[in-house]
Amino acid sequence: AQKVTQAQTEISVVEKEDVTLDCVYETRDTTYYLFWYKQPPSGELVFLIRRNSFDEQNEISGRYSWNFQKSTSSFNFTITASQVVDSAVYFCALSEAMGSDKVIFGPGTSLSVIP
Amino acid sequence: GAVVSQHPSWVICKSGTSVKIECRSLDFQATTMFWYRQFPKQSLMLMATSNEGSKATYEQGVEKDKFLINHASLTLSTLTVTSAHPEDSSFYICSARDLRRGHQPQHFGDGTRLSIL
Repeated sequence: AQKVTQAQTEISVVEKEDVTLDCVYETRDTTYYLFWYKQPPSGELVFLIRRNSFDEQNEISGRYSWNFQKSTSSFNFTITASQVVDSAVYFCALSEAMGSDKVIFGPGTSLSVIP
Repeated sequence: GAVVSQHPSWVICKSGTSVKIECRSLDFQATTMFWYRQFPKQSLMLMATSNEGSKATYEQGVEKDKFLINHASLTLSTLTVTSAHPEDSSFYICSARDLRRGHQPQHFGDGTRLSIL
């Protein structure tokens, strides 16, 4: 069965601090996708990144970076120089690459960036 | 702009009422759409997979007679919460994928907040 774990339920940081959100996943599939989504208080899901299981290269996009380590089944997300607008719930998610398009979400991490 | 539209975005109704939520793919056809439910401070849980022209596939524990799904066209899926009760109050989100763009991430609607009094 597929499962996504985000051990950090809530995190508070002071503005400009760096913060890493952890994500550990379980799957028996050899090919899969990993995602991060942001959900601000307004509720909509904002797509941040998708990573194919064959691509273990880390990625950086502005203040965001992602560390994918297949050996530890982790896909961690780091925000550098956090800003108040980063305050949101962040979900790590997993889906099969073949067959069903089902997306399995982790429990989410609520990030509060304090001015 | 939004590629998956949900309507309504917010609804309040009395207990016992049936409520219909629409999910539309705006500029692509979606043979499959997904319905998720999110209770406050919880994650998104997949309720069912909506299949165009055939019956929906429900996840374990989801009552198919209570949550009726109809996917009558390639751009529209509807979720009807029948005889809604306060415990059905939740945030409902749909998603769909544009198959023309290969295996790209799904597009999510902006969600529908349902409050049953």
